[in-house]
Amino acid sequence: DAGVTQSPTHLIKTRGQQVTLRCSPKSGHDTVSWYQQALGQGPQFIFQYYEEEERQRGNFPDRFSGHQFPNYSSELNVNALLLGDSALYLCASSDRTRSSGRASYNEQFFGPGTRLTVL
Amino acid sequence: LAKTTQPISMDSYEGQEVNITCSHNNIATNDYITWYQQFPSQGPRFIIQGYKTKVTNEVASLFIPADRKSSTLSLPRVSLSDTAVYYCLVGAFSSGSARQLTFGSGTQLTVLP
Repeated sequence: DAGVTQSPTHLIKTRGQQVTLRCSPKSGHDTVSWYQQALGQGPQFIFQYYEEEERQRGNFPDRFSGHQFPNYSSELNVNALLLGDSALYLCASSDRTRSSGRASYNEQFFGPGTRLTVL
Repeated sequence: LAKTTQPISMDSYEGQEVNITCSHNNIATNDYITWYQQFPSQGPRFIIQGYKTKVTNEVASLFIPADRKSSTLSLPRVSLSDTAVYYCLVGAFSSGSARQLTFGSGTQLTVLP
């Protein structure tokens, strides 16, 4: 059973360009979340998708957008790249329907990430 | 979202038990405590989660006192491969959705031979 996969592994862009990162969730998962992790920092939540719509969003500008496809895979798009966008971009998938105990607990499984370098 | 405080780094030797403590003074009634492990250039990996008292799985134990204002991740008999960053997260879960995870800076654990 494949886990979460992301492509590409590494990417180098220049300022002002646009980039698209891709994520395939773990089999059976319907929810995809994206995180940005700068060097030496913890991951920061960008947004989450399920049922092909953005459901939650962190404190990121509109330059960051996404999409979810009917097969639950997802894309993260970043326009007008800045040097500060250089980071490891992580995708996490989960199953919304799974619950445990007093609350709905959806363990999130992370992919290996895409390392984006903006020059 | 409850703020968490962890030591920036810890060193240990192979075979020792390691305890990493996390402070979360403003934890809310519905909040759970979750720990993740992250190796360089990899995504975080779920280790353990708990609400109160003690939780144990095949890789770690989680101790939570009655006031829940702190928690301790215990790793028995660490090996070199346990060298990683460990994150403590606190938050509630909502029905029908996966909550956004709020990571702090984590604790860099270095296991020495």
